[in-house]
Amino acid sequence: GAGVSQSPSNKVTEKGKDVELRCDPISGHTALYWYRQSLGQGLEFLIYFQGNSAPDKSGLPSDRFSAERTGGSVSTLTIQRTQQEDSAVYLCASSLAISGGGYTFGSGTRLTVV
Amino acid sequence: DAKTTQPTSMDCAEGRAANLPCNHSTISGNEYVYWYRQIHSQGPQYIIHGLKNNETNEMASLIITEDRKSSTLILPHATLRDTAVYYCIVRDYSGGSNYKLTFGKGTLLTVNP
Repeated sequence: GAGVSQSPSNKVTEKGKDVELRCDPISGHTALYWYRQSLGQGLEFLIYFQGNSAPDKSGLPSDRFSAERTGGSVSTLTIQRTQQEDSAVYLCASSLAISGGGYTFGSGTRLTVV
Repeated sequence: DAKTTQPTSMDCAEGRAANLPCNHSTISGNEYVYWYRQIHSQGPQYIIHGLKNNETNEMASLIITEDRKSSTLILPHATLRDTAVYYCIVRDYSGGSNYKLTFGKGTLLTVNP
């Protein structure tokens, strides 16, 4: 597609429920990243996928967080047993491998845990 | 930790040039300077990047000092839609975990009518 698409744009969930956030990167972009941004804070790196290589999960804050990327394209970020501190905007970005150019970010999913 | 220092906020009059400074005194030879901006409620948007030479594209110009310890992003004719948080980021392009972008607090640029 023309840009990085994320869905849903907004998600309100009850504490303890599981949620799935979806990212559809730009066609042909082999690198995909997840970041999150809490209210008034900077962006926090979560996970990175590059082609068929093992993902870099070093930014995931706990084992309740997981992500997968099927077929080298669409990615799903799953948060199990959500907590209120998980409330944030979850941003996905993609790029042409490790390119010299910039990353293209989606508009994010605003997650609110009540 | 972010390797850059930026002013917290700046104001600019509509139609005038906006000059956003960034200090990166510990930058290494393999590190590029990248600029992104984030308009309210949107994802970050790539603006421009450079290594040593000044760069210009349709959005902005990037001026990097000869010692590479600081740079300035220039929006030549700021509009109200340029109001955003502007992030200056240094990124190692030589390998390893150079894909991670470390965002600091950035500069909130407010363009006034």
